[in-house]
Amino acid sequence: EVQLVESGGGLVQPGGSLRLSCAASGFTVSSNYMSWVRQAPGKGLEWVSVIYSGGSTYYADSVKGRFTISRDNSKNTLYLQMNSLRAEDTAVYYCARGGGWTTPRAFDYWGQGTLVTVSS
Amino acid sequence: QSALTQPASVSGSPGQSITISCTGTSSDVGGYNYVSWYQQHPGKAPKLMIYEVSNRPSGVSNRFSGSKSGNTASLTISGLQAEDEADYYCSSYTSSSRVFGGGTKLTVL
Repeated sequence: EVQLVESGGGLVQPGGSLRLSCAASGFTVSSNYMSWVRQAPGKGLEWVSVIYSGGSTYYADSVKGRFTISRDNSKNTLYLQMNSLRAEDTAVYYCARGGGWTTPRAFDYWGQGTLVTVSS
Repeated sequence: QSALTQPASVSGSPGQSITISCTGTSSDVGGYNYVSWYQQHPGKAPKLMIYEVSNRPSGVSNRFSGSKSGNTASLTISGLQAEDEADYYCSSYTSSSRVFGGGTKLTVL
């Protein structure tokens, strides 16, 4: 059974940093495309980043230069390093399998999400 | 990376059919047959309902169907049931990013 479990969210001050983790089971992270999607309170979904199975990474303009997506193959875990955090980064962050160029070209499995709050 | 355009809300009675539209541009919806649809109940993670315009994942009811014409994709739900009440999001690929619609709240009357 495919499972994704996020952790690492919490309260952080503006300008601070946080690293989110997404532990996967039931499949191999390094063989798949993996993405982060966020949802601000009461708002819609916003794509954040994708890492391809080959290691290429892409980011939304809103986080480019501040966020870094990565993975640890030995731990079968996806990460999102978030630096220079702003109030507008406050959201539930979901990791999702997919977002790449093999079928299904979609996000087919999602974690339960972890809340990041940026506030002083 | 502008969001795709969806109606804020739609409603229908049990047993009826509804359609949710998702309008983009030739750089996203119109340029790729990679439109997907997600259902999200309050406090829950999104669930994939349709991928690559019209394909249903295993386990998704055949009451859900998708289509696309030009820069506009559509999700149709037939035989509305109370459990279909949720938020629905479309998504599309672009050459270097992914984009979501603003979401549509479906109310089953």
